[in-house]
Amino acid sequence: DADVTQTPRNRITKTGKRIMLECSQTKGHDRMYWYRQDPGLGLQLIYYSFDVKDINKGEISDGYSVSRQAQAKFSLSLESAIPNQTALYFCATSDSQRQETQYFGPGTRLLVL
Amino acid sequence: SQKIEQNSEALNIQEGKTATLTCNYTNYSPAYLQWYRQDPGRGPVFLLLIRENEKEKRKERLKVTFDTTLKQSLFHITASQPADSATYLCALDGTGTASKLTFGTGTRLQVTL
Repeated sequence: DADVTQTPRNRITKTGKRIMLECSQTKGHDRMYWYRQDPGLGLQLIYYSFDVKDINKGEISDGYSVSRQAQAKFSLSLESAIPNQTALYFCATSDSQRQETQYFGPGTRLLVL
Repeated sequence: SQKIEQNSEALNIQEGKTATLTCNYTNYSPAYLQWYRQDPGRGPVFLLLIRENEKEKRKERLKVTFDTTLKQSLFHITASQPADSATYLCALDGTGTASKLTFGTGTRLQVTL
């Protein structure tokens, strides 16, 4: 869905490097989420934000941090990447005034060597 | 602990038949349940939402049932087509927090000619 974009789409990095994944949305939604997906484990919530001043940890926030720079932008950082952070990362948005449907970006495939 | 279970084995059916996927959950009292479709390497796409006071919901060839006593949802695709081949995820709102979704690991559907 072009309304939610993620950059980069693919990234290879080395252990110990700090990297940032970015998410932008044009849907005007107030809520944004970061998930990671590993084969067989489904989607796991890393962080979520209900508005610019509200940031919350999800199930697996250790080793990650986020920044909500504006309503439309939500970035995920890996402070010091490690190989078990190799995964597919998705950003999602939802509108608090409507149903709790989430709209996902295309994903970022991250490989940590 | 809270648990969402979807059949991890792929479901293989013939074109034209009805596909039925199951989502069971424990230790949840969801206000609603959602179904998403995910194609390989892409973000999940919302399909249907059913609320706790609804027994059944339909959208074109899709039908979802929700039995809060059995703690189960069934997702049906009638007159299935090869284009329906994908992984289907169910998702529940978190206990006490209507804006966080927890996803099942998904069931892969393969529709053959």
